[in-house]
Amino acid sequence: AQSVTQLDSQVPVFEEAPVELRCNYSSSVSVYLFWYVQYPNQGLQLLLKYLSGSTLVESINGFEAEFNKSQTSFHLRKPSVHISDTAEYFCAVTITGGGNKLTFGTGTQLKVEL
Amino acid sequence: DAGVTQSPTHLIKTRGQQVTLRCSPISGHKSVSWYQQVLGQGPQFIFQYYEKEERGRGNFPDRFSARQFPNYSSELNVNALLLGDSALYLCASSPGLAGGLNYNEQFFGPGTRLTVL
Repeated sequence: AQSVTQLDSQVPVFEEAPVELRCNYSSSVSVYLFWYVQYPNQGLQLLLKYLSGSTLVESINGFEAEFNKSQTSFHLRKPSVHISDTAEYFCAVTITGGGNKLTFGTGTQLKVEL
Repeated sequence: DAGVTQSPTHLIKTRGQQVTLRCSPISGHKSVSWYQQVLGQGPQFIFQYYEKEERGRGNFPDRFSARQFPNYSSELNVNALLLGDSALYLCASSPGLAGGLNYNEQFFGPGTRLTVL
């Protein structure tokens, strides 16, 4: 079975500062990796995904994540955060060819302050 | 285009009661999955349905059941409610089942917040 660990439950950061949200996974088979964002009282929105190819993936709003197979990590980064980035971020994994079942981490609350 | 819709938005029940949650997938999507998100935790997989058949089940008791209708909408039923069933229940739809190296992106609805008193 696969699992996801998000070590940081909360990350406070000042606006325009860089941020990294950490995600490590465990699986005995190949996986696909995802970052989802959840704003208060809303469902989940896909931020970015790694399926294959380049290990660096980017979102349209400036976030990027890098798949590191040797370290089993998929950390999320943004060079300059905005107040509107305040939300809960979830890392998730699914095994390749295993249907759509997603296994999520416990989430990281990103709080951007002025 | 309409996204995934869920009803009701909020629900309050008492212990021992039964509840039915509803989900309408994106038009053309044939697969629906259900997740439970307890406050402060990540979503946990409950069920996946495709073409009206159960294709996956998470580690949940038999009090939890679901079905998918010919129009691909879905219902999640929970019997004999416990306080611990209080959570946000999320529905996700995707075009189909993933096979081989393919992945079908899942689109999540806004959820139904269930409170059990």
